[in-house]
Amino acid sequence: GDSVTQMEGPVTLSEEAFLTINCTYTATGYPSLFWYVQYPGEGLQLLLKATKADDKGSNKGFEATYRKETTSFHLEKGSVQVSDSAVYFCALSTKLDTGRRALTFGSGTRLQVQP
Amino acid sequence: EPEVTQTPSHQVTQMGQEVILRCVPISNHLYFYWYRQILGQKVEFLVSFYNNEISEKSEIFDDQFSVERPDGSNFTLKIRSTKLEDSAMYFCASSEGREASETQYFGPGTRLLVL
Repeated sequence: GDSVTQMEGPVTLSEEAFLTINCTYTATGYPSLFWYVQYPGEGLQLLLKATKADDKGSNKGFEATYRKETTSFHLEKGSVQVSDSAVYFCALSTKLDTGRRALTFGSGTRLQVQP
Repeated sequence: EPEVTQTPSHQVTQMGQEVILRCVPISNHLYFYWYRQILGQKVEFLVSFYNNEISEKSEIFDDQFSVERPDGSNFTLKIRSTKLEDSAMYFCASSEGREASETQYFGPGTRLLVL
């Protein structure tokens, strides 16, 4: 079945450092790919998404490119801030037997940014 | 900005008791979902709901679980006889449509602890 693999956390960075969180996937067909973020005490919020190969999703300085050839969707940010401290989830839309979709999530990566 | 809300934020119950988790999806959304995250594990799809019936469900969603849209705004998840392994964070989500590229908007979650 479909699956998403994320790098283990926590990832600890200093403010203004460069961030990469790796995400690779296994899926049949052509899923859409998502990054969700969960700030402490809050729900999952969509950070960005890409719906086809070579698409780049971006938001709040974060970006990720849908790489079909390497089945990857790595999250990057050039300069992290303390306020970026959160758990980041990579996800893909899985096509179910009915033809409809559900999200398949990675295990989440906790990012801690220190001042 | 419209958001998905969930109540309660925390629920503690005794094994064998029934619990009802409540969600208010975004008002113009047509598709509703429940996911759960057992501590330290991935977010897992439970069930999706459309047009007042279950669209699809995962193998986790057994006869102990049921969902309902009792009125025009609420969407509930009922666990009839809770087990210790039902302890988890339960997330409700909603989306406008069911395409692969559709964003699912998540609530803040209900943390359920079964003793």
